[in-house]
Amino acid sequence: AQKVTQAQTEISVVEKEDVTLDCVYETRDTTYYLFWYKQPPSGELVFLIRRNSFDEQNEISGRYSWNFQKSTSSFNFTITASQVVDSAVYFCALSEAVGQTGANNLFFGTGTRLTVIP
Amino acid sequence: SQTIHQWPATLVQPVGSPLSLECTVEGTSNPNLYWYRQAAGRGLQLLFYSVGIGQISSEVPQNLSASRPQDRQFILSSKKLLLSDSGFYLCAWMVGDPDTQYFGPGTRLTVL
Repeated sequence: AQKVTQAQTEISVVEKEDVTLDCVYETRDTTYYLFWYKQPPSGELVFLIRRNSFDEQNEISGRYSWNFQKSTSSFNFTITASQVVDSAVYFCALSEAVGQTGANNLFFGTGTRLTVIP
Repeated sequence: SQTIHQWPATLVQPVGSPLSLECTVEGTSNPNLYWYRQAAGRGLQLLFYSVGIGQISSEVPQNLSASRPQDRQFILSSKKLLLSDSGFYLCAWMVGDPDTQYFGPGTRLTVL
């Protein structure tokens, strides 16, 4: 069974600090996909990144970076030089590569609420 | 480009009343469609998904139902709302296998 754990319920940082959001997953599939979504106060989920299980290269996009480590089943997200606009709830999610239903259902963690204090 | 719409944006309904939430996608064909619910301060729970017209799969038994009358239209319904149905309802679409699910703006439902 698939499971995603985001142990950090809430994090507060002062603007310009770096912050890392943790994500640990469980799956018996050898092929799977990992995602991060951002949910600002407006509520809409914004897609940030997708990673497949065969690609363990870290990725950097501006102030955002992701560290995927299969050995520890983790897919952590770091924001460098945080800004007030980064305040949101961040969700990590997992999908099986080929679902039994063909629907590629997403399994979400419970989210981490990040507050960046000016 | 693809866009996804949900309406209404907010809804306040009395217990026992019916419900109809609509989701439509533009700019794509034959998407997978999904309904999620997010209770206050909680994560997302998958309610229904559809891989084609008329095909609905339910993930959680409850008093809600879903229908897909057209390729890019997904409807969430209830005959009688419960207090526990309150929450934020999100519709999502996906094209390709595998690919990314993109979410709509959501409907905030309050049942009183």
